[in-house]
Amino acid sequence: DVKVTQSSRYLVKRTGEKVFLECVQDMDHENMFWYRQDPGLGLRLIYFSYDVKMKEKGDIPEGYSVSREKKERFSLILESASTNQTSMYLCASSSLVRARSDNQPQHFGDGTRLSIL
Amino acid sequence: AQSVTQPDIHITVSEGASLELRCNYSYGATPYLFWYVQSPGQGLQLLLKYFSGDTLVQGIKGFEAEFKRSQSSFNLRKPSVHWSDAAEYFCAVGSSGGSYIPTFGRGTSLIVHP
Repeated sequence: DVKVTQSSRYLVKRTGEKVFLECVQDMDHENMFWYRQDPGLGLRLIYFSYDVKMKEKGDIPEGYSVSREKKERFSLILESASTNQTSMYLCASSSLVRARSDNQPQHFGDGTRLSIL
Repeated sequence: AQSVTQPDIHITVSEGASLELRCNYSYGATPYLFWYVQSPGQGLQLLLKYFSGDTLVQGIKGFEAEFKRSQSSFNLRKPSVHWSDAAEYFCAVGSSGGSYIPTFGRGTSLIVHP
């Protein structure tokens, strides 16, 4: 079965710290995504990647960076954590099917609830 | 640009009652449509998807959705709700060609009364 694993369910960090959120998928998917989810705002795309070492900014990339050194792993980095980055972070992956214009459903991890104090 | 509207922020139903969650999309061509469910403390799980063909789509957990092009809608339905259906529901639209990034609605929170 499809599996997207996020390294931590809950994380507490301090302002100014460098924070790493890790995501691993076992489905050999080309596409990987990072979202943050806040009450009333739904899912907002931070970054996505369609191949190893490739990355594209989403809607709210400020204050974040990403790394994809291996196909199965996509890391989200908060360079200097701030309190307004307290949120639920969701990782997702999807396969690339050129004949269907890439519209395969996304598979999500269980999320990391990050608190910045 | 594509967009998704879920008009209802919260919906409250009694257990055993029928359910309809609304979703309206804006997109120029034939959309690719999805419904996801998010149980408390969990990630999103795909309930069903529409790509083409039959406009009534069956999904998991007894859910179905109907694509109505004339109304730009993709409403989710269930004939009899169970207490375990209490969750957040997200509608999403994907584009054809060029972008594989879906656009999500803001979600509808389903509350089930015993």
